[in-house]
Amino acid sequence: GENVEQHPSTLSVQEGDSAVIKCTYSDSASNYFPWYKQELGKRPQLIIDIRSNVGEKKDQRIAVTLNKTAKHFSLHITETQPEDSAVYFCAASIWEYGNKLVFGAGTILRVKS
Amino acid sequence: NAGVTQTPKFRVLKTGQSMTLLCAQDMNHEYMYWYRQDPGMGLRLIHYSVGEGTTAKGEVPDGYNVSRLKKQNFLLGLESAAPSQTSVYFCASSYSSRERDEQYFGPGTRLTVT
Repeated sequence: GENVEQHPSTLSVQEGDSAVIKCTYSDSASNYFPWYKQELGKRPQLIIDIRSNVGEKKDQRIAVTLNKTAKHFSLHITETQPEDSAVYFCAASIWEYGNKLVFGAGTILRVKS
Repeated sequence: NAGVTQTPKFRVLKTGQSMTLLCAQDMNHEYMYWYRQDPGMGLRLIHYSVGEGTTAKGEVPDGYNVSRLKKQNFLLGLESAAPSQTSVYFCASSYSSRERDEQYFGPGTRLTVT
C-alpha cells in the first residue's frame, strides 16, 4: 500500500523567513495530495491541495509543488508569522471509490518572533 | 451549520469495556471516515463509508467496527477496549465528487483505556 514520509519532523524559523516541508510517496498511482494544518488540541484543517495533473499551486503565502517523476511534493510558506506555528501533515491518496488518505507523520513548525 | 460533530469529547475506559463513538455531519456528505491519531504519527484510517448502509476497512481496522445506518451519522464501536486503543479519534466527511473532495474533520474524541 501507499507509504508517505515527511521531513523534517521539526522546523524552527525566524518570523518573516520561509519554511519548506517535504513529503515523498511510494505509490505512483497516487493522484491527490492535500496539506493539513493542526493547531494544538484542534482538528486538522485543509490549507492547500494539489492533483497529479498540476505541478504547482499557490494560495497567498502558501504554495505546493509536485514532482511526479521523483514522487515527492513540498509545502512552501513564505513570510512566516507566529500564527503559522502548528503541526503540518501531508497526505496522499489514489482518488477512487472513497478518497482514502495516507498521512505523513507531521512536521512541528515553530515561528520565532 | 454545525459541520462535523463528535460525541463524546473525552472518555476513559477500562480494558475489556465497550463503547460507541458517534459522528454526525449536516453537510449532506456522501463519504465519511474514522481516523486515529497517536503521538508522533499522522492520522491513520480505521474504516470509511461511501454511502448509507456501506462500510469498508481502512489501514488499521482491527478491534473496531462501524455502522452507517443514516447518511448523516457514522458510528465507531470498540467491542473490547485495549490499552493500545488509547488515542485521539477523528471523524471526517466529504462529498463524493473529485472536484469537491475536501475532508472536513470533527473536533476529535480523546479516549484513554486503562
